[in-house]
Amino acid sequence: AQKVTQAQTEISVVEKEDVTLDCVYETRDTTYYLFWYKQPPSGELVFLIRRNSFDEQNEISGRYSWNFQKSTSSFNFTITASQVVDSAVYFCALSEWGAQKLVFGQGTRLTINP
Amino acid sequence: DTAVSQTPKYLVTQMGNDKSIKCEQNLGHDTMYWYKQDSKKFLKIMFSYNNKELIINETVPNRFSPKSPDKAHLNLHINSLELGDSAVYFCASSQLYRQLKRETQYFGPGTRLLVL
Repeated sequence: AQKVTQAQTEISVVEKEDVTLDCVYETRDTTYYLFWYKQPPSGELVFLIRRNSFDEQNEISGRYSWNFQKSTSSFNFTITASQVVDSAVYFCALSEWGAQKLVFGQGTRLTINP
Repeated sequence: DTAVSQTPKYLVTQMGNDKSIKCEQNLGHDTMYWYKQDSKKFLKIMFSYNNKELIINETVPNRFSPKSPDKAHLNLHINSLELGDSAVYFCASSQLYRQLKRETQYFGPGTRLLVL
């Protein structure tokens, strides 16, 4: 069975701090995809990144970086030098190979205070 | 140039009514989805359609009936609305490649349904 756990329900930091959002997943498949989506206060779901299970290379995109570790079944997301505009709910999600659905974690509400 | 659009954005209605939510995508994708986000922000798949064919029905009450007239549209009709149906409903789309390799799912803006 697929499962995604985001243990941090809420995180609050001061602007310019670095913050890491944790994501732990469970799957029996050896091939799968992992995703992060952002849901700002306006409510839409914005795609941030997709990772294939056979590609463990970490990724950096501007202030965002992702650390994928199969050994610990984790796909963590770090925001460096956080900004107020980063305030949102962030979702980690899993899709098994051939599956027609995303399984989401509970989401982490990130608040960046000025 | 909206990729996935939904109408209406807000829907307020009385218990027992029937309502529909429309979804359209212009990404050329062959697979479309409906997800429900409850008041605690939890997102869960409801339905998946591939080339107008129902693939997933995730134990959703049969008061919910999706309809896909073509690959670019997936509508959601809800009969006899109940208080517990209040939620945000998201449509999404993706492309299925050979050997079941699947593209990223892109989401519409959501429809906020409030049942009174």
